[in-house]
Amino acid sequence: QSALTQPASVSGSPGQSITISCTGSSSDVGGYNFVSWYQQHPGKAPKLMIYDVNNRPSGVSNRFSGSKSGNTASLTISGLQAEDEADYYCNSHTSSNTRLFGTGTKVTVL
Amino acid sequence: EVQLVESGGGLVQPGGSLRLSCGASAFNFSNYWMHWVRQAPGKGLVWVSRINSDASRITYADSVKGRFTISRDNAKNTLYLQMSSLRAEDTAVYYCARDIMHVFGVLRQYYYAMDVWGQGTTVTVSS
Repeated sequence: QSALTQPASVSGSPGQSITISCTGSSSDVGGYNFVSWYQQHPGKAPKLMIYDVNNRPSGVSNRFSGSKSGNTASLTISGLQAEDEADYYCNSHTSSNTRLFGTGTKVTVL
Repeated sequence: EVQLVESGGGLVQPGGSLRLSCGASAFNFSNYWMHWVRQAPGKGLVWVSRINSDASRITYADSVKGRFTISRDNAKNTLYLQMSSLRAEDTAVYYCARDIMHVFGVLRQYYYAMDVWGQGTTVTVSS
């Protein structure tokens, strides 16, 4: 049960778009459309941003979008804002009926 | 307001036991699948365990299997995590979280994503 692979850090200037990748295997990301993404600010609980690859919960900005190709899922943040600076984690259902988080990505707004 | 509140964390010696609780309010707890997720200091999120609405289906991460037990009391709107044989590497903030569930008439649609989280309770395993 190794964690899904994410880049350690991604940065961008305000207004730009950034994309965070999340790579797994056919037993998790590639096998199911059950990828979710979470935002976590320091000292706070995680917040759900995307579920089922590309669905946004009510109240989440449409600047956040998700996609998947093969064993890799992606989260795109468009129109980057200062408040988007946080850690982001992907998560996937697995063939063992468990859930698996990614290694996490620190997003920095320059 | 829909809320989850964890409690029961603290300092425990290696090999010891601890029981965490997670109280739910403002939603029908008995209908939801629930999870425990942990985060070691300065590290990432790690999924620990999941229990379905009637406790008939339970799964664990390999790292805690045989040592941790998830359970729930739907009459008390409370989720539990019994932790035993604790190790230093179990030191973390422990969060409870619920899976998304939508109701369509008499049908419930469950989703594999956690939409409500507690604030976390800290467990420190040290001598």
